[in-house]
Amino acid sequence: GESVGLHLPTLSVQEGDNSIINCAYSNSASDYFIWYKQESGKGPQFIIDIRSNMDKRQGQRVTVLLNKTVKHLSLQIAATQPGDSAVYFCAETHYTGNQFYFGTGTSLTVIP
Amino acid sequence: DAMVIQNPRYQVTQFGKPVTLSCSQTLNHNVMYWYQQKSSQAPKLLFHYYDKDFNNEADTPDNFQSRRPNTSFCFLDIRSPGLGDAAMYLCATSSGTGDYEQYFGPGTRLTVT
Repeated sequence: GESVGLHLPTLSVQEGDNSIINCAYSNSASDYFIWYKQESGKGPQFIIDIRSNMDKRQGQRVTVLLNKTVKHLSLQIAATQPGDSAVYFCAETHYTGNQFYFGTGTSLTVIP
Repeated sequence: DAMVIQNPRYQVTQFGKPVTLSCSQTLNHNVMYWYQQKSSQAPKLLFHYYDKDFNNEADTPDNFQSRRPNTSFCFLDIRSPGLGDAAMYLCATSSGTGDYEQYFGPGTRLTVT
């Protein structure tokens, strides 16, 4: 499979602060990236995606940045809330296939 | 609501005793996936179906098999479970028609005794 990794396995932030979660990928042919949130005992939940023809995409309180030059993407969560505590995964795929490969994951803990 | 359903949510099997996990979807999606997720690890893709076309990952052990009898259902068969197969097994779907978003089921937690 493809190699998609995260820089930081754990992250603790104060409630109200912004969070940044990073991910590195190895396949330069990947053209679609997704961030997932996974709460304990549940399946991954889609947060936001980005295609390789973009370098930034914003959602509600979340922003994904893609740097194809260094094969890096990040997830920014604004005004982090206790409900944001979860494990966050990035995943990547290529439009010619249907395989999705997940990165290592970062456990985000929000301190009230 | 349209969704991905996995049964059972918790499954206990004995070492070496075949076990089948099931997944169904009401999304009418072309693609169905099975992932294995061990504790504190990322989901690992085992295989996927695009319609009836089966696509196995190169490093998926032969002990894992899958069946997709129709669009709605997909099964994961573990022929001889070992202790190392204890994990959460996640089923997911995607439309396969340009929208790459995956929809995950809640998972089946498999325990091997």
